[in-house]
Amino acid sequence: GQQLNQSPQSMFIQEGEDVSMNCTSSSIFNTWLWYKQDPGEGPVLLIALYKAGELTSNGRLTAQFGITRKDSFLNISASIPSDVGIYFCAGQPPGAGGTSYGKLTFGQGTILTVHP
Amino acid sequence: DAGVTQSPTHLIKTRGQQVTLRCSPKSGHDTVSWYQQALGQGPQFIFQYYEEEERQRGNFPDRFSGHQFPNYSSELNVNALLLGDSALYLCASSLLVPSSTDTQYFGPGTRLTVL
Repeated sequence: GQQLNQSPQSMFIQEGEDVSMNCTSSSIFNTWLWYKQDPGEGPVLLIALYKAGELTSNGRLTAQFGITRKDSFLNISASIPSDVGIYFCAGQPPGAGGTSYGKLTFGQGTILTVHP
Repeated sequence: DAGVTQSPTHLIKTRGQQVTLRCSPKSGHDTVSWYQQALGQGPQFIFQYYEEEERQRGNFPDRFSGHQFPNYSSELNVNALLLGDSALYLCASSLLVPSSTDTQYFGPGTRLTVL
């Protein structure tokens, strides 16, 4: 099946620093999504990307859909303690449900720790 | 307006038993997807329900089955439980055709432990 390689696996940063994480795939995706998961909670959607080359921001978060449709990155600027959590990328392959959030493939997650 | 709710929160079963997990989607949503998240891993897609039919399925055996009711709520059933079925089971709801302002929402999950 399709695999998503997410890196880095973990990050330890100081408050105020910028963060960058990325996902790559051996196959193309029609949609890229970025989620954050806190302990004991389900993932929360941060940013959705629908077109190759698309660059989208949500507050201090910026994500891009790679031109090849096989990669995406997420940047967090000026990190704060509440950014702590696990970040997941997810992709929807072609034919997996059209515009619905169907059959998503998730990366392994990036654990972010922010030191005050 | 309640978001996605799941029950129970935690469950302990023994090998060979059967389990039923329940999900109520966000108000107004018609599509429910189920995911299995093993410890330290990303969620894995099990299947998706729309209009009481299984619309898509991931690479899970037939021991995993589901149902969607006319009120859009859903159940996940797992038969003949194995130790490897221990995981957090997540339910996600959305509209079949979501908008940029109404996307997909996950519930808090059910933690299943198989002994």
